[in-house]
Amino acid sequence: EIVMTQSPATLSVSPGERATLSCRASQSVSSNLAWYQQKPGQAPRLLIYGASTRATGIPARFSGSGSGTEFTLTISSLQSEDFAVYYCQQYNNWLLYTFGQGTKLEIK
Amino acid sequence: EVQLVESGGGLVKPGGSLRLSCAASGFTFSSYSMNWVRQAPGKGLEWVSSISSSGSYIYYADSLKGRFTISRDNAKNSLYLQMNSLRAEDTAVYYCARVDDSSANPDYWGQGTLVTVSS
Repeated sequence: EIVMTQSPATLSVSPGERATLSCRASQSVSSNLAWYQQKPGQAPRLLIYGASTRATGIPARFSGSGSGTEFTLTISSLQSEDFAVYYCQQYNNWLLYTFGQGTKLEIK
Repeated sequence: EVQLVESGGGLVKPGGSLRLSCAASGFTFSSYSMNWVRQAPGKGLEWVSSISSSGSYIYYADSLKGRFTISRDNAKNSLYLQMNSLRAEDTAVYYCARVDDSSANPDYWGQGTLVTVSS
């Protein structure tokens, strides 16, 4: 089983600043890595897939990078609506998924 | 508009069973693979199960140990999750989600249905 580890657990950043979230896979997942955003009481929202491709309607301030076992989600200039929990998820095998434990992005 | 509406959650005793349903609309249900994902209170997301568009391919998280069964009825635009031998640790919000072919990831999610396993 592929284990996904996110860091940090909580990230405190001021609005307008850059946020960098990390995700590590226990073995290579190539570029089969997605990022989701979840706000309280809401379902998750797909942000990034293929490690770096933004999903439909996702603002350009969200960007993803990495391959293999190390991945990064960067939010270039934080808006108030970006404070949420972010999950990475691997899908290296079709229809088999593993999520990371999440990073809570909070207002500093 | 794509809509996924889960139902069937509720309070069940340990060892009991429950069947969740997900009614899909706004897209050609029979063309999409579907997932169940759960989230325990205050915890992260956990993938539960996937089923291909035709139902020919089915996958489960190892942690379920054969207690859950995913199925679908394409004629009724519906997805199901039969949950047996329920445990306290199965308490969670259960989401159904559509898998987008181009991204290979869930792109639309329902709002979830809460399952509580307690005596």
